[in-house]
Amino acid sequence: DAGVTQSPTHLIKTRGQQVTLRCSPKSGHDTVSWYQQALGQGPQFIFQYYEEEERQRGNFPDRFSGHQFPNYSSELNVNALLLGDSALYLCASSLRGQGHGYTFGSGTRLTVV
Amino acid sequence: GEDVEQSLFLSVREGDSSVINCTYTDSSSTYLYWYKQEPGAGLQLLTYIFSNMDMKQDQRLTVLLNKKDKHLSLRIADTQTGDSAIYFCAERESNYQLIWGAGTKLIIKP
Repeated sequence: DAGVTQSPTHLIKTRGQQVTLRCSPKSGHDTVSWYQQALGQGPQFIFQYYEEEERQRGNFPDRFSGHQFPNYSSELNVNALLLGDSALYLCASSLRGQGHGYTFGSGTRLTVV
Repeated sequence: GEDVEQSLFLSVREGDSSVINCTYTDSSSTYLYWYKQEPGAGLQLLTYIFSNMDMKQDQRLTVLLNKKDKHLSLRIADTQTGDSAIYFCAERESNYQLIWGAGTKLIIKP
């Protein structure tokens, strides 16, 4: 049973560019959450998708947007990249209503130069 | 906003027990979690505890929850070199968002 799959694993972008990160949830999960983890810090919640809609959002600007597809996979888009967007981006999947089943992918390491 | 605090480092000798502590502020948290992160890797769920429990044991891991003091601890018995990692405490808010501590780096001395 595959866990959460994220792609790409590493990415280097230039300031001002746009990036799309992808996530396939664990089989049987219907909810996808995205987190940003800066070096030496804990993850920060970006947003959560369920039934193809953004349900919750953390304290991130509108440059961060996302999408969930009918097969529950998800994308995270970041526009007008800033140096401060350099971080590990983690995707977590879960089954709505269950509190013990957050499964994380290995993340995408984004470097903005 | 809500906050989760952890000490940044813990050093223990191989074979001893490790106790990692965490405090949180949201009294309405329903689930509390311990995750492990090894270098360059994602987050691995170690264990979780529901807020109406005081203790949970899972093999070498023991979680203690003091809801009155909003204090959570993770005890790892017989600590091994493979336990070297960063350990994160997280609480789940009513909107399903997870709030995380900054992580405790566990260092194992031979």
